[in-house]
Amino acid sequence: GAVVSQHPSRVICKSGTSVKIECRSLDFQATTMFWYRQFPKQSLMLMATSNEGSKATYEQGVEKDKFLINHASLTLSTLTVTSAHPEDSSFYICSATRGVPQETQYFGPGTRLLVL
Amino acid sequence: TQLLEQSPQFLSIQEGENLTVYCNSSSVFSSLQWYRQEPGEGPVLLVTVVTGGEVKKLKRLTFQFGDARKDSSLHITAAQPGDTGLYLCAGAARDDKIIFGKGTRLHILP
Repeated sequence: GAVVSQHPSRVICKSGTSVKIECRSLDFQATTMFWYRQFPKQSLMLMATSNEGSKATYEQGVEKDKFLINHASLTLSTLTVTSAHPEDSSFYICSATRGVPQETQYFGPGTRLLVL
Repeated sequence: TQLLEQSPQFLSIQEGENLTVYCNSSSVFSSLQWYRQEPGEGPVLLVTVVTGGEVKKLKRLTFQFGDARKDSSLHITAAQPGDTGLYLCAGAARDDKIIFGKGTRLHILP
């Protein structure tokens, strides 16, 4: 068990539009979900931590009005990139834990966003 | 600030050779995880080590957690092209956040 899915896997959009990415835990309830951004050939950069039913905690330098996170249920978190610009193009990955935040994270397959 | 330093950053070796990658810190971690990530995909958990001095084996991969729980190593025996990927270590920091090392990019030449 511990499967995490993301949708869509790839998205291309025009500058100025908003894009929503879904992260679902398929076979477990995720008390905490994380959103990461990864630039080519680099490691993961944590953007925010979200707990079901509460506001997300954003890392320093991440604009909360730009990257809207909603964690409406124990199996679904969404990341919305608002008014996307080319510099937002990146690989976005979510992960989920079953229990406390410091437990092992299970990652989704990632979403590649290209903003034209 | 707690950091995880991974070395080497890049490693390119011939199929059949052995290799070791390292994950070091000056801080103590309650647990460390190793992940492998292939291009265009999310990281896949390989192992979690919890106890100081612990050794875990996963086929040709051997993971070790340092006695003081500040460092870990991953040893691959008889590397194969399928082992190619980005290897990431991660640990739970004092503020409950998971921190990642910058990764070791491994390329196995056939």
